[in-house]
Amino acid sequence: AQKITQTQPGMFVQEKEAVTLDCTYDTSDPSYGLFWYKQPSSGEMIFLIYQGSYDQQNATEGRYSLNFQKARKSANLVISASQLGDSAMYFCAMREGSNDYKLSFGAGTTVTVRA
Amino acid sequence: EAQVTQNPRYLITVTGKKLTVTCSQNMNHEYMSWYRQDPGLGLRQIYYSMNVEVTDKGDVPEGYKVSRKEKRNFPLILESPSPNQTSLYFCASSSIGLGNTIYFGEGSWLTVV
Repeated sequence: AQKITQTQPGMFVQEKEAVTLDCTYDTSDPSYGLFWYKQPSSGEMIFLIYQGSYDQQNATEGRYSLNFQKARKSANLVISASQLGDSAMYFCAMREGSNDYKLSFGAGTTVTVRA
Repeated sequence: EAQVTQNPRYLITVTGKKLTVTCSQNMNHEYMSWYRQDPGLGLRQIYYSMNVEVTDKGDVPEGYKVSRKEKRNFPLILESPSPNQTSLYFCASSSIGLGNTIYFGEGSWLTVV
């Protein structure tokens, strides 16, 4: 079974607007961590934000915030005030307590920011 | 500066010609992994290592070998590359613990013709 599902293959967003990238996950492990990575066209993987399963508050890092809904098993990434440099592929990933040596990735969402 | 370094970054090779992609990290991390990225599939784990001399298969290990003789190095070996191993490869490292970030190398674009 797919552990991470990203249902939006591609999205367009206007510069300065906010965009939400969907991510749902599947695990029976009570202890897990959720990550978002950005991959620009140059290919490197850039860590954006982390949310632990026991964290009480939603994670935020600058213009990135994570809308964590544990009961729904969703961890959506919100990018506020989009910039042209935000155009990239975005991956949601999960690390489980019982298998913390690996990340399970979704298929990714391509975001294109329009001027 | 914390780094995961992979080489080569770009390589075109022929079917059957053995090649090694090197990976080195300077953060004294216990965990190291190799992933491959293919369109529509995200990243999939090939092999991982939890410490020196401890390695194990990930989700897609066929056609690959690894070794971990030193803590900092984790080379990926393709003994007899085939065209279906054409992919973008990432080495990654991390400390033990869920909340610790997994750091990635810059990626190695490999084409097998």
